[in-house]
Amino acid sequence: DTAVSQTPKYLVTQMGNDKSIKCEQNLGHDTMYWYKQDSKKFLKIMFSYNNKELIINETVPNRFSPKSPDKAHLNLHINSLELGDSAVYFCASSQQAYGYTFGSGTRLTVV
Amino acid sequence: DQQVKQNSPSLSVQEGRISILNCDYTNSMFDYFLWYKKYPAEGPTFLISISSIKDKNEDGRFTVFLNKSAKHLSLHIVPSQPGDSAVYFCAAILNRDDKIIFGKGTRLHILP
Repeated sequence: DTAVSQTPKYLVTQMGNDKSIKCEQNLGHDTMYWYKQDSKKFLKIMFSYNNKELIINETVPNRFSPKSPDKAHLNLHINSLELGDSAVYFCASSQQAYGYTFGSGTRLTVV
Repeated sequence: DQQVKQNSPSLSVQEGRISILNCDYTNSMFDYFLWYKKYPAEGPTFLISISSIKDKNEDGRFTVFLNKSAKHLSLHIVPSQPGDSAVYFCAAILNRDDKIIFGKGTRLHILP
């Protein structure tokens, strides 16, 4: 029973397209995150939501927009995709800074 | 099924002593293991890594030990300092997937 699930796992798309990555958690956690993994395996936080409210909004292009319809879901919409957006994106959830659970990642390839 | 397990959600260690964080994994095909450190409201930052062909890697106060037969790795911090208080994630990589699989993290609290 997957705790944090991201879909799709792989996404190949052309430059200029608009795409979404979905994330759902069934842990009852209040906080959800989106991270971007760079080529050096570093994870950079992009957004954090707590109970559907945006808490952290790091410096990312405004082509990236998170949407949280309820506290179990945090989706990532990306408009006008660029080559540099190619990366692995991780969703995660936590409860009061304990017990982080990461999704399996979504590999986005922009061609 | 959790492939990377950190069974201790939290750990408290006296300043100056050794901190030992443990991690177990289930997939014997993992090629690479990493430790990340995370402060509140920040993303995890890479700390130290070890290849599956090694059994030890040392970087300053941080040493990672890998026991492949037991599918176990540990991170040693000596001596522990107040700035080491953070959440530590164990992670593993399968080269063919090039994706990181994370454990749930262990919160380390360094006591004065």
